[in-house]
Amino acid sequence: KAGVTQTPRYLIKTRGQQVTLSCSPISGHRSVSWYQQTPGQGLQFLFEYFSETQRNKGNFPGRFSGRQFSNSRSEMNVSTLELGDSALYLCAIRTVGAGGRETQYFGPGTRLLVL
Amino acid sequence: AQKITQTQPGMFVQEKEAVTLDCTYDTSDPSYGLFWYKQPSSGEMIFLIYQGSYDQQNATEGRYSLNFQKARKSANLVISASQLGDSAMYFCAMREGTSYDKVIFGPGTSLSVIP
Repeated sequence: KAGVTQTPRYLIKTRGQQVTLSCSPISGHRSVSWYQQTPGQGLQFLFEYFSETQRNKGNFPGRFSGRQFSNSRSEMNVSTLELGDSALYLCAIRTVGAGGRETQYFGPGTRLLVL
Repeated sequence: AQKITQTQPGMFVQEKEAVTLDCTYDTSDPSYGLFWYKQPSSGEMIFLIYQGSYDQQNATEGRYSLNFQKARKSANLVISASQLGDSAMYFCAMREGTSYDKVIFGPGTSLSVIP
């Protein structure tokens, strides 16, 4: 079964600070996607990386950025935090199995609280 | 425009009964995939079932089946023999063929299973 790990699991920051979240897909998996989940906006796509290149981006301000390393680990960074950035941040990988059956596995998420 | 619609914010079902969660989608891409996820109160996103736009048969995974009506752009999730552990949020989601790994989520349906 595919696995995705995310660190840290919980984080408390204050407005104006910056934060870096980490996501590690299973070895050899080259793409990683990030999502933000809030009660008001639901689940929204942030961005996607494939082989260290961003190939898709959601509708978020430039304060949200990311990168992917050669070992497929990905980080997302949020600068100048706002109260509205409080959310569950989820990382995911997509796999394609027999017959084109797709699965998207999510990590446990990082819960960010901005005070 | 809303691409994924889930019209039932909350639903109740008696234990051991079957329940159908509704989902309609909108896309002009002939190639797409549809997903259903379960999110318990812990926050973990659990993949349930996948249906490709070219699949001729409805997908099934254990107690979960997807009632795919392509012409109506409908992808309802059917849970048979509900269990108390099925109480959770359920999200319908879509990946368009031209969008790499980006998945668009619906607003979700909260399911409560009553003993």
